[in-house]
Amino acid sequence: QQQVKQSPQSLIVQKGGISIINCAYENTAFDYFPWYQQFPGKGPALLIAIRPDVSEKKEGRFTISFNKSAKQFSLHIMDSQPGDSATYFCAARALTNAGKSTFGDGTTLTVKP
Amino acid sequence: DAGVIQSPRHEVTEMGQEVTLRCKPISGHDYLFWYRQTMMRGLELLIYFNNNVPIDDSGMPEDRFSAKMPNASFSTLKIQPSEPRDSAVYFCASSPPVPDTQYFGPGTRLTVL
Repeated sequence: QQQVKQSPQSLIVQKGGISIINCAYENTAFDYFPWYQQFPGKGPALLIAIRPDVSEKKEGRFTISFNKSAKQFSLHIMDSQPGDSATYFCAARALTNAGKSTFGDGTTLTVKP
Repeated sequence: DAGVIQSPRHEVTEMGQEVTLRCKPISGHDYLFWYRQTMMRGLELLIYFNNNVPIDDSGMPEDRFSAKMPNASFSTLKIQPSEPRDSAVYFCASSPPVPDTQYFGPGTRLTVL
């Protein structure tokens, strides 16, 4: 019940295209859903996050869509750029679980010029 | 703030040797997390602390691994004796008192020969 399932494992997109990464969860106690971006040789860094009281959050070219009833959330990267090539992790946190976050397995995104 | 600081950045050692990884969290953060990242297993939570107290060490692989947090500004992860299968990138992360976002350090790349 603590798992977060992420797909796809890898994604190749042409420059200017839309990248979509999906995550699904089971634990209804999750109350915070961040996405992390990791470049090679670096640690993951927060990209964008959403709480379950809203269905969408947009920051620049990055949008999280959240479907509470389906227990799914997704990251959309509009106008994908080669600089977006990185590994993306979705995560979920339940405050009742004392701060512990559950991470997806990651999606390696490659944006071709 | 300088962010989460980890040392060393790279460590190469021989099987059977003791390895100590160090972490300085962001000042004011109450939570500290140790993760291990490999291609095969992804990002694994090893242990985390709240206010210097270990909360969940269920991810520690075996007794060869130990972690301490003697004060709010320092933590260590020790492997004794080290084995080749311990080769991975080890990340330390910290969170503020409301643990929404985790701030990751740059990681320590450990190679055990």
